[in-house]
Formats: sequence, structure tokens, C-alpha cells
Amino acid sequence: EVQLVESGGGLVQPGGSLRLSCAASGFTFSNYAVTWVRQAPGKGMGWVSCVGGSDDTTYYADSVKGRFSISRDNSQNTFYLQMNSLRAEDTAVYYCAKGRHGNCYSSLDYWGQGILVTVSP
Amino acid sequence: DIVMTQSPDSLAVSLGERATINCRSSQSVLLSANNKNYLAWYQQKPGQSPKLLIYWASIRESGVPDRFSGSGSGTDFTLTISSLQAEDVAVYYCQQYYNIPYTFGRGTKLEIK
Repeated sequence: EVQLVESGGGLVQPGGSLRLSCAASGFTFSNYAVTWVRQAPGKGMGWVSCVGGSDDTTYYADSVKGRFSISRDNSQNTFYLQMNSLRAEDTAVYYCAKGRHGNCYSSLDYWGQGILVTVSP
Repeated sequence: DIVMTQSPDSLAVSLGERATINCRSSQSVLLSANNKNYLAWYQQKPGQSPKLLIYWASIRESGVPDRFSGSGSGTDFTLTISSLQAEDVAVYYCQQYYNIPYTFGRGTKLEIK
């Protein structure tokens, strides 16, 4: 059974940093792209970042480029989102999700339960 | 960025009736090289994570009931629930994965009439 479990969220002040982790199980981790998607309270979905499984290519939304960094540790079946210079508008539930394919050009077939990040003084 | 426009914003349908949700992209998400539409539909029930229903615009994900179907090509797509069940109450999102940044529609809230 595929499982994705996020951790590392919480309350942080504007300008601060957090690192989200997503522990994966139930599939050959290195073969698939993994993605972060966020959902601000009461709002729709926003794609944040993706890292390919087959080529480790990384992609970012313009709103987080230069501030967020996605990475993966295939030996630990875990991927990460390092979030720096956080802003109030980054407040959201962050979901990690597995792509159906090795590259990022794929739909997302499994999602974690989500973790709340709150950026506030 | 590709803008995904869903309609309606909300929809109330009687149990057993058909529900139809539309999604339009601001540019084509059909890749001619493989004739695939890079369009997915997700269902998000209250308090839950999104769930993949449909990918490549019309392929039902494993385990998804066959009352759910996707259609369309290019820029216009439809999610149809042929006979609404109580457990289908949710917000439904379309998403394009043709161009980065991948973008979602604003969602359609489906309720029981």
C-alpha cells in the first residue's frame, strides 16, 4: 500500500524557515516524480514544486522560486521541501504527492494527509 | 501560465441524477506527439486529501467507480457523474500537467439537492 506521510509543519514568523519532509512507502521511490501542492485555508489548490524520479530535474512555481528548494533522498524514501524567507501568503496546508510517472509531467495518484504551515508574527 | 476555468462554481444535483462539471484551459493541453491530453480530475471530500479520479482526460484511475467519466480534448473537458451518490459530495478540481507551472481550476463544489 502506497503511503505518504508529511512532517515538519507548524507556526513560523515571517522571514523564517521550515523544512517539510514526506516519508514514502509502498512503491519504488526512485522511479517516480514527487510533488508538493498547497492549499491556503478555504482556497483551491496551488502547485508548488516537483522533482523527477528518473532525472532529478526540479521545477518551481514562480511564487516560491529562489525561496523554496525541493530534494529527495532515495536511500531514505523521503523527499523534502526547504522553505526559506517565508511570507504570510505561504500559509497553507502542504500536501506531498506521488506522480504516476518518473518525470514531472504526470498526474498525482497518491497524496499525503497534508500538513499545516502557518506564517504569522 | 495556463489558466484553468471550471464551471459551475457549485452544483446541486438530486441523488441518482447526472452531474456535469466543465473545465476549460486557456491553451491546448493536447500533445500532438502522443495524442494525449495532459488533464486530470481530482475529488476532495471535506477534511480529506485530494484523490485522483481521471487522468489523460478520460482514463479512470484504478478503483474509481465507473459512474465517473471524463471527456474532451484540446481546451474543453468534462467530468460526468452518471448517477450521483451521497458519497460523491465533494469539491472537484481539474488540473493541467502539460506546462509548468501545473495549474488547477478553482474547484466545483458538488452537493445533494
